[in-house]
Amino acid sequence: ETGVTQTPRHLVMGMTNKKSLKCEQHLGHNAMYWYKQSAKKPLELMFVYSLEERVENNSVPSRFSPECPNSSHLFLHLHTLQPEDSALYLCASSQDNWGTEAFFGQGTRLTVV
Amino acid sequence: AQTVTQSQPEMSVQEAETVTLSCTYDTSENNYYLFWYKQPPSRQMILVIRQEAYKQQNATENRFSVNFQKAAKSFSLKISDSQLGDTAMYFCALATSSNTGKLIFGQGTTLQVKP
Repeated sequence: ETGVTQTPRHLVMGMTNKKSLKCEQHLGHNAMYWYKQSAKKPLELMFVYSLEERVENNSVPSRFSPECPNSSHLFLHLHTLQPEDSALYLCASSQDNWGTEAFFGQGTRLTVV
Repeated sequence: AQTVTQSQPEMSVQEAETVTLSCTYDTSENNYYLFWYKQPPSRQMILVIRQEAYKQQNATENRFSVNFQKAAKSFSLKISDSQLGDTAMYFCALATSSNTGKLIFGQGTTLQVKP
């Protein structure tokens, strides 16, 4: 347990559904991240939040919408996803957004049907 | 552009033996950090070891050590006295100041420790 909690652990959704992934950390970190992990591919950074402000959006389609209401919580809102969006979505946090260790959650395994 | 390459998709080692995982990277910056992360079947990524580019001394954490060759842009991980619990996917990662600190990951190496 690294102190970063993601819910749900598994999610199956249809292409017309709307769902949200949740990430929570109580480590006092001020940077939070969403990564996508697909089979046979490197982890892809999706979004970076620093002090609750989005500092990076890595050309992610608008069907993925992040939200960071406070420094401890990060959401990823999903709508009208495609089957190719099926992947493991990892949340991470760090003390600052440069050079320090990132702590990861256990991920949400998303399947889009 | 920064890149990280792990050329060994899969490796195996006998318990108690030593194994080395390879990683090469590319960056034009002088100030950066390199990491090795471990992802066991439980899926939780855990930091194994961290190296600061300005430090010449290779980082060591118990059975884990790195061979950091800055000129060659190489950052290999050596696991000594391999244990069954070391079975996992290992990712090499790079963070630079110009990249707002985001981690750039390699493709990963799946390590199987055999009894």
